[in-house]
Amino acid sequence: SQQGEEDPQALSIQEGENATMNCSYKTSINNLQWYRQNSGRGLVHLILIRSNEREKHSGRLRVTLDTSKKSSSLLITASRAADTASYFCATVLTGANSKLTFGKGITLSVRP
Amino acid sequence: SQTIHQWPATLVQPVGSPLSLECTVEGTSNPNLYWYRQAAGRGLQLLFYSVGIGQISSEVPQNLSASRPQDRQFILSSKKLLLSDSGFYLCASREGLDLGAFFGQGTRLTVV
Repeated sequence: SQQGEEDPQALSIQEGENATMNCSYKTSINNLQWYRQNSGRGLVHLILIRSNEREKHSGRLRVTLDTSKKSSSLLITASRAADTASYFCATVLTGANSKLTFGKGITLSVRP
Repeated sequence: SQTIHQWPATLVQPVGSPLSLECTVEGTSNPNLYWYRQAAGRGLQLLFYSVGIGQISSEVPQNLSASRPQDRQFILSSKKLLLSDSGFYLCASREGLDLGAFFGQGTRLTVV
């Protein structure tokens, strides 16, 4: 079964705008990760946030984690057409450190 | 960083034929290895994962099996393919709990 659920399922924005994507999960986690997938390709790891962290930054990416609400958000600032891709959250559950389970993904379209 | 080799990139197989997809990993030792399947426009379904040679955990009962004969080799097999086995198969490798996964470029399997 899938642990993470992203929303919205699809997001279309103008270049230069910020894109916010959300992920909710069901049970206790060790960490939560965000990945990007260009069409027909493998996934690329973007950023990881541990359960004891609340916010992390990497370049134009900002990830937050709220363990009380079992949710995370990925913010891409100043979006570019090249950010067009599918984005997935993945979780490593407490007590199941070897499993890496993905959500259904969000399709982001950035219009030039 | 790790490099994940998957081949072939595309495969068309008749129903009832056998399948063997191979994944090899460079740049790490004793990684956790994963096989995922992705239906068109959908999320990643975890099929199998392995924490070491000969150790396989199956997530979904189905027509497939996996083996890990060497530390950096992960094989996905089927004795008789079904139409429902069509999809995009991805191999991934992860070194540790608080590290992200590296993905291969995937194999698109069409069963006809």
